[in-house]
Order: sequence, then C-alpha cells, then structure tokens
Amino acid sequence: AQSVTQLGSHVSVSEGALVLLRCNYSSSVPPYLFWYVQYPNQGLQLLLKYTTGATLVKGINGFEAEFKKSETSFHLTKPSAHMSDAAEYFCAVSDRLDSSYKLIFGSGTRLLVRP
Amino acid sequence: GAGVSQSPRYKVAKRGQDVALRCDPISGHVSLFWYQQALGQGPEFLTYFQNEAQLDKSGLPSDRFFAERPEGSVSTLKIQRTQQEDSAVYLCASSLLGGGEGETQYFGPGTRLLVL
Repeated sequence: AQSVTQLGSHVSVSEGALVLLRCNYSSSVPPYLFWYVQYPNQGLQLLLKYTTGATLVKGINGFEAEFKKSETSFHLTKPSAHMSDAAEYFCAVSDRLDSSYKLIFGSGTRLLVRP
Repeated sequence: GAGVSQSPRYKVAKRGQDVALRCDPISGHVSLFWYQQALGQGPEFLTYFQNEAQLDKSGLPSDRFFAERPEGSVSTLKIQRTQQEDSAVYLCASSLLGGGEGETQYFGPGTRLLVL
C-alpha cells in the first residue's frame, strides 16, 4: 500500500532563510504528487503538484518541488521564508492505478518562521 | 467563484447521538471526497462519489458511518451513535471531472466534530 513520509513534524526557520520540507513516498510506480498548505481553521490549499513532464514544479507563493524518482522524493522548497508562510504543510500522493483517485497524506510538517 | 462549503463548521455531540455533516461542492464538479483528519494527523480518505454513485467507501471506519449524494451535488456524511474516537475534523473535497490523472481536489474548511 502507498505511504507518505514527511520527515520532521516541526521545522523552524528564520525569516528570509531557505525553506526545505521533506517528503518521500513508498510505491515502485511513481504516483501523482501534491503539496497542500493548511492555515489554522481553514481547509487545505493546493501549493503545487506533479503529474507528468518536467520534474521541477513551480507553485504558488514562491514554492517549488522536484520529483526525484531515484530517491522516491518530492521535497518542497522556497528560497526565502516569509512570516506568512507559517502553516502546516502536507505532502500527498495519488496512486496512478487507484480507480478511486483518493489522496494519501503524510502526517504533516508545521513550519515556524522566526522574525 | 464560490469554493467548497461545509456546515456546520463546529459540532458538539454527546456520545451516542447521531450527527449529519453537509458538503456543498463547487458547482458542476463531478467528483466528491470525504476525509477525516484527527488532531495532529494528515487527512485520511473515507469515501468517494462520482456524481451520485458512491464508487469507493473503503475508508469508512465502521457501519456507523454513512454518506450519500442523492442528486450528484450536495453530500451528507452521517455518523450514528457517535463515539469519542469520532472526534476529528471532517473535510470534503471536490474535483471537476472523475478525479483521475492527478486532478486537483479542492477542499472545504471542514467540520470540527467533538464528541463528549
């Protein structure tokens, strides 16, 4: 069965520093890959996704992620953190062979941004 | 345009009560998903509809959970005889087409259920 691992339940960075949030998936067939952000008392908002084609994907708010098949990874980065980036980030996958198209989520990483 | 809406936003129930949670997907969206998010965890899949057909209910944790989408738009998740372990945020998501090919799922704000 598919699984998603997000290393680090909490990541703390200084404002202006690089943000790196890690995500690894388990399947041998690369799934569709997603990053969502969740602000307090709000639903999940899609940051970016990888389905096919170019492995470096750019999303909203200056975030990007790179699909690396050899490492089964889809890490999320942003060159310079802003205070408004403080939120919970979820990596999710959808199995290409699953006819219900459900998302399988990691346990999340809370990003703290220090002034 | 309007996004996915859910009601109520908060629900407190006494153990043993029945509850009904409503989801209004984005207009015209074919697919609808329900997820359960326990405190400090990522969302977990409950069930999936394509129009009015419930194509996957493998994530429903017990037969106390029931979901319907009778006219292919609004959906209701019903939990009978609530238990404390049902306390969670229930998220609804919709997507434009069948949901395949990595189609984006758009999430509502969730209903936070607390069972006392």
